[in-house]
Amino acid sequence: AQTVTQSQPEMSVQEAETVTLSCTYDTSENNYYLFWYKQPPSRQMILVIRQEAYKQQNATENRFSVNFQKAAKSFSLKISDSQLGDTAMYFCAFMEYGNKLVFGAGTILRVKS
Amino acid sequence: NAGVTQTPKFRVLKTGQSMTLLCAQDMNHEYMYWYRQDPGMGLRLIHYSVGEGTTAKGEVPDGYNVSRLKKQNFLLGLESAAPSQTSVYFCASTRPLAGFYEQYFGPGTRLTVT
Repeated sequence: AQTVTQSQPEMSVQEAETVTLSCTYDTSENNYYLFWYKQPPSRQMILVIRQEAYKQQNATENRFSVNFQKAAKSFSLKISDSQLGDTAMYFCAFMEYGNKLVFGAGTILRVKS
Repeated sequence: NAGVTQTPKFRVLKTGQSMTLLCAQDMNHEYMYWYRQDPGMGLRLIHYSVGEGTTAKGEVPDGYNVSRLKKQNFLLGLESAAPSQTSVYFCASTRPLAGFYEQYFGPGTRLTVT
């Protein structure tokens, strides 16, 4: 079974600075998808960014980018120019066969003014 | 489009009571999922469905049953609630047959079993 590990339970960053959230996963599959979801205090799960394993280029969405290292099975999320609205729980997720998501335990990110 | 909706948003049950959570989506998605979220554990898959009339077990199916009688609805049932089922429940849907792989989530249902 696939596993997803987020080793940072909590992180904080000053407004306008850059922060990186870590995620590692374990799989024997070659083709798969990885995602980062954001869960603000409202509890709604919001997709931040996704990465297809067959693509070598790292995904980018505005201030959010990933560092995908397939051989190392690492998938970190970088948030640039952090904003107060980025304060949330962030989940890394691996999509396994059958389009089922396996989530990490999450990282609480607090952006300070 | 309303996206994915869940009913109810909050519920308190006593041990042994039963209830059904309703998930509805208006995006014509084939696949639907039920997850539970507990502190420090992220989301875990309870049951899922790849089409109308089909269901399958996820990682933590014990104590739950599901039905998918209509493509747009996915029901999660608790026959005899236990305190261990106190959690936040999320429904999600996706449409992989159309090349979409991201899952769209509902707003969640907070269930407390006393």
